[in-house]
Amino acid sequence: DQQVKQNSPSLSVQEGRISILNCDYTNSMFDYFLWYKKYPAEGPTFLISISSIKDKNEDGRFTVFLNKSAKHLSLHIVPSQPGDSAVYFCAASRSYNTDKLIFGTGTRLQVFP
Amino acid sequence: GAVVSQHPSRVICKSGTSVKIECRSLDFQATTMFWYRQFPKQSLMLMATSNEGSKATYEQGVEKDKFLINHASLTLSTLTVTSAHPEDSSFYICSARDRAGAGEKLFFGSGTQLSVL
Repeated sequence: DQQVKQNSPSLSVQEGRISILNCDYTNSMFDYFLWYKKYPAEGPTFLISISSIKDKNEDGRFTVFLNKSAKHLSLHIVPSQPGDSAVYFCAASRSYNTDKLIFGTGTRLQVFP
Repeated sequence: GAVVSQHPSRVICKSGTSVKIECRSLDFQATTMFWYRQFPKQSLMLMATSNEGSKATYEQGVEKDKFLINHASLTLSTLTVTSAHPEDSSFYICSARDRAGAGEKLFFGSGTQLSVL
């Protein structure tokens, strides 16, 4: 049972435009969500997070939106840059400091010039 | 940022042999390390939590006698796949937590692609 879903395996966006990566979850007990970015031959690196008490968190070009009623979150990257091309993983946990992260399957973003 | 080194990056072995994968935190002490497995087109799945100086905690469905975890120091955890079989072929990746901290304090290794012939 996939508790965290990223239904789009890939996304292609032109440089300068907005990239929107989506993530859905099924477990209403999740209250902390993270996005990781992964380049080839490297491990995932933390990008941005949001707790369930918020509906938006922004860090530079990256903004994460959380819609608890829809059990949906999204990552917006604007403007997109070629260096953003990577695989993006959504992850969820049941509390802020839990060890157990449940990951999505990832979305491969390609930003072309 | 913190660095976690994982070796080897790729290993091919014969069925029945054992394979050891190392995970090192290079510039911080990690009391807790995590081991994940990812099959093609699936998500990273937590296999076990490795605590320095104590026994690892395995997730449901993960055989502890098959996947031996040793966390003998604050900077090194090893995963040994014993008597590997083709169905163990997968991408294995570790992460380490920099002392206290939530998910953003998790630092991942670059992973090991295991192929069992």
